[in-house]
Amino acid sequence: DSGVTQTPKHLITATGQRVTLRCSPRSGDLSVYWYQQSLDQGLQFLIQYYNGEERAKGNILERFSAQQFPDLHSELNLSSLELGDSALYFCASSVQGAAGELFFGEGSRLTVL
Amino acid sequence: DAKTTQPNSMESNEEEPVHLPCNHSTISGTDYIHWYRQLPSQGPEYVIHGLTSNVNNRMASLAIAEDRKSSTLILHRATLRDAAVYYCILRRAGTASKLTFGTGTRLQVTL
Repeated sequence: DSGVTQTPKHLITATGQRVTLRCSPRSGDLSVYWYQQSLDQGLQFLIQYYNGEERAKGNILERFSAQQFPDLHSELNLSSLELGDSALYFCASSVQGAAGELFFGEGSRLTVL
Repeated sequence: DAKTTQPNSMESNEEEPVHLPCNHSTISGTDYIHWYRQLPSQGPEYVIHGLTSNVNNRMASLAIAEDRKSSTLILHRATLRDAAVYYCILRRAGTASKLTFGTGTRLQVTL
């Protein structure tokens, strides 16, 4: 158990819909990262937050947005869903700094039909 | 981000040592070398990291070349539970510190 909690574990929805994925980081970790893993793209970095502020942005679509709340949990919002958005979405947390390891959750599997 | 190069796949027999290589010829002086692995149907898991010196922990050892342009992850006695995709990642100090995953090495362990 990494200590990072992601909900829901599985989600099935239709094209055009909107979903919210939630992540609770390990106690004390200020940084939260979101990754997308699809079969053909591997693990892609989406976005990072540190103590409520956006710190880094990767290949995140404009239809996707995220935020980190004062209690440090984070949400990833995916809207106008397309078939290609079907993937595993991982959240990770860490203390700040390049030497710190990232702890990953078990992921949220999104299926868009 | 500086890139790493790893073999696509490797095979090992159970109970044998495994040496997983990684080339990172464009590494900068402030890049840490991180290794993560991803078991089937799980999130990535931290294995080990280092900067210049060799490192050991309960999971593995990390051998870093003197010029830091390559490194090797060593699993001393592979088990079936070590079958996973292993990622070698450079992580720069002093920046956003995200991890950029490549394609990794898929390790197969057989009896």
